[in-house]
Amino acid sequence: DQQVKQNSPSLSVQEGRISILNCDYTNSMFDYFLWYKKYPAEGPTFLISISSIKDKNEDGRFTVFLNKSAKHLSLHIVPSQPGDSAVYFCAAISSNTGKLIFGQGTTLQVKP
Amino acid sequence: EPEVTQTPSHQVTQMGQEVILRCVPISNHLYFYWYRQILGQKVEFLVSFYNNEISEKSEIFDDQFSVERPDGSNFTLKIRSTKLEDSAMYFCASSNLRGRGSYEQYFGPGTRLTVT
Repeated sequence: DQQVKQNSPSLSVQEGRISILNCDYTNSMFDYFLWYKKYPAEGPTFLISISSIKDKNEDGRFTVFLNKSAKHLSLHIVPSQPGDSAVYFCAAISSNTGKLIFGQGTTLQVKP
Repeated sequence: EPEVTQTPSHQVTQMGQEVILRCVPISNHLYFYWYRQILGQKVEFLVSFYNNEISEKSEIFDDQFSVERPDGSNFTLKIRSTKLEDSAMYFCASSNLRGRGSYEQYFGPGTRLTVT
């Protein structure tokens, strides 16, 4: 099931710089997208979401951008902090179903 | 802040045994879910539950699996006869509103199931 793909398994950035995590999807029925953060031995923690009728949603240091024509979304973290180091999952959902479809995850390392 | 809790954190069982994984969703949530993550793989949907019945299930969720909300707070996943390939992290999740612009699901810490 490759409906949601995160092609970069890992990303390393310097503290204070921008982190950009990318996600692509194939199913045009998805109408809501979410980003989750996961630390080892913990469950995914909801970060930020965006409806398909929007192209940007911002919450503090986190901004999600959606490009529907390209079926692409990205998560920007500015400025990045060492505590942001974790695995980030992109997930998508369509309104006629309750199930989240997850990407493979990207491991972000923020170096002090 | 309300959170989803799961017990046990780690369960070791022998192949063919029954296991019950327990979850306490967030108290005012109406929709409940189980997901699993096999080591090195994606988090994958198993089942969703609303109004005391299954609303959707994946092809993984075969007759060996069942879910129940035995009382007003617990939500359980039962695997009747465990197989080696059932070894995974099992996550419970809950959400409040579905649709109307609110699809966020909140996850518990997971139960690591090891089948030997």
